Amino acid sequence: DVKVTQSSRYLVKRTGEKVFLECVQDMDHENMFWYRQDPGLGLRLIYFSYDVKMKEKGDIPEGYSVSREKKERFSLILESASTNQTSMYLCASSFLRGRNEKLFFGSGTQLSVL
Amino acid sequence: ELKVEQNPLFLSMQEGKNYTIYCNYSTTSDRLYWYRQDPGKSLESLFVLLSNGAVKQEGRLMASLDTKARLSTLHITAAVHDLSATYFCAVDSRRGGSQGNLIFGKGTKLSVKP
Repeated sequence: DVKVTQSSRYLVKRTGEKVFLECVQDMDHENMFWYRQDPGLGLRLIYFSYDVKMKEKGDIPEGYSVSREKKERFSLILESASTNQTSMYLCASSFLRGRNEKLFFGSGTQLSVL
Repeated sequence: ELKVEQNPLFLSMQEGKNYTIYCNYSTTSDRLYWYRQDPGKSLESLFVLLSNGAVKQEGRLMASLDTKARLSTLHITAAVHDLSATYFCAVDSRRGGSQGNLIFGKGTKLSVKP
């Protein structure tokens, strides 16, 4: 059974803290993505990566960074958390072009920044 | 810039009725996805539509794609309560040249009532 695993289901942090959200996939996918989901706004892409040590900005990268040191792991980093980063964060992965078309999602991390 | 618009955003249906959700997108794309999200859960892939005129059906749901009109529809036949969820369409933006870099609509929250 294919799996995208996010390390935490719920997180509560304080303003100014450094926050790490971890995502691991076991499908040998090249692509990995971080989205945030907010009511009324749908899903918005923060960053994506199509290879180890590669990263590309999505639509809303400000205030975030990412790390991909191994193919199966993609981390989202909030250097100094702010209240407007309270959101549901979804990690996803997929094969690179020409293969299986689907994007597989993790179960999400609900982050609250107080 | 690729934009994806869904309508309606909220849909309350009676069991047994038919309805259609619409998804318009602003620039050319060769693949469109439909996802389902249950409350508190992650996104589950329903359909991937890869060409003009593509039609896919699963149970009471049928999705179609018209790339010339930049329009996809998700038709619900004889709705049942189990179909209550939020439905998202997403279009592959092809940023970075790889697949799976999706732009999502805001979602249609479907509620099926007895």
